[in-house]
Amino acid sequence: EAGVTQFPSHSVIEKGQTVTLRCDPISGHDNLYWYRRVMGKEIKFLLHFVKESKQDESGMPNNRFLAERTGGTYSTLKVQPAELEDSGVYFCASSPQGGRGSPLHFGNGTRLTVT
Amino acid sequence: AQSVTQLGSHVSVSEGALVLLRCNYSSSVPPYLFWYVQYPNQGLQLLLKYTTGATLVKGINGFEAEFKKSETSFHLTKPSAHMSDAAEYFCAVSLMNRDDKIIFGKGTRLHILP
Repeated sequence: EAGVTQFPSHSVIEKGQTVTLRCDPISGHDNLYWYRRVMGKEIKFLLHFVKESKQDESGMPNNRFLAERTGGTYSTLKVQPAELEDSGVYFCASSPQGGRGSPLHFGNGTRLTVT
Repeated sequence: AQSVTQLGSHVSVSEGALVLLRCNYSSSVPPYLFWYVQYPNQGLQLLLKYTTGATLVKGINGFEAEFKKSETSFHLTKPSAHMSDAAEYFCAVSLMNRDDKIIFGKGTRLHILP
């Protein structure tokens, strides 16, 4: 079974530009999550999709971040316009069911650098 | 509110020596607790988790962790370090006893000395 895949693995953009990160979950996993790790800090939850619906977006930092999951398959996370503090590693994870008994499967992450 | 504190952002041990990575948590309800590992250029991988029952939990690659409610700790250990154990380790606690809404610690990078 293919794991969670994320594209690109690295992205370097200038402040004010737009970047779109993509996550392909494991096939059949209805639950998809985005997490972010800013340099030297904790990995923090951003949001949770169940199929195409946003179940919880309480961790989204501000309205410069837009996540979508059209059709309930892959997801994109767009940052527009990017700011310096958006630099970090963005992780995507998926699971077949939310809640208990369903551990997260993480992708390798996208390292975003905003200069 | 739940939180996790990992003592030491970097830990170095000699190959063959005991590995001990410390984690303390704060939770208002009986927690689910996790250790995740991130090897270089890879995603996070679940090492082990505690939900209920036996307080000593065994995970992959010879790691284990013990839940100590009185000390609010969930330290990770391995009797004998191997070079391949060099990675970053994250302790985490769940929200509402779920496997998915988890709060991570800041991580501890484990260095193995030859």
